[in-house]
Amino acid sequence: QSALTQPASVSGSPGQSITISCSGTSSDVGGSNYVSWYQQHPGKAPKLMIYEVSHRPSGVSNRFSGSKSGNTASLTISGLQAEDEADYYCNSYTSSSTPNWVFGGGTKLTVL
Amino acid sequence: QVQLVESGGGVVQPGRSLRLSCAASGFTFSTYGMHWVRQAPGKGLEWVALISYDGSAKYYADSVKGRFTISRDNSKNTLYLQMNSLRAEDTAVYYCAKGLTLYGSGSPDAFDIWGQGTMVTVSS
Repeated sequence: QSALTQPASVSGSPGQSITISCSGTSSDVGGSNYVSWYQQHPGKAPKLMIYEVSHRPSGVSNRFSGSKSGNTASLTISGLQAEDEADYYCNSYTSSSTPNWVFGGGTKLTVL
Repeated sequence: QVQLVESGGGVVQPGRSLRLSCAASGFTFSTYGMHWVRQAPGKGLEWVALISYDGSAKYYADSVKGRFTISRDNSKNTLYLQMNSLRAEDTAVYYCAKGLTLYGSGSPDAFDIWGQGTMVTVSS
């Protein structure tokens, strides 16, 4: 299973909004409502930020939002803050053969 | 609080075996599917394996199928990953992760709780 495609890096200034894309196929992103997003700070474990395309777990700021159109999912972070600087990974469930979960290659967010 | 703690990592020669453990606490372990996810140094995340809440269903990434075995002991709230025939490309931090969905058995899911990870280095 090929990895989902994310931009290697994005950047923004404090207070601005950024969007990270995650491109897949009809076998994963396009065919699943189970796209999730994870934040990972250096040396730390990943943290779930968005599940089922657009749902936020309890405790995650409403500055984080998710959406999907066709084979591409997106994570938007509004009101950028310094602590948002991290790596972000998308993930999609796929059942093309047996149940499987595929990650994107990750996007490094830099807050300028 | 909800917590996952991995152990068992280390340095191992190619072709040898290693068993990882993940101790769970703070939630009803026996009602959630559990996953292993790994991350090679400086690289992205890779899903490795899932075991259903009751251990009846197991699924693996193609890269580890036939070499790795996931298991669980619900009486001990512990998840395992038996890794055989290890290769250099298996070098990674291995995370255990709790499935979000109650009674997960291979249905769509996300990973809502992660351990701190344990490093596995395969090198001669």
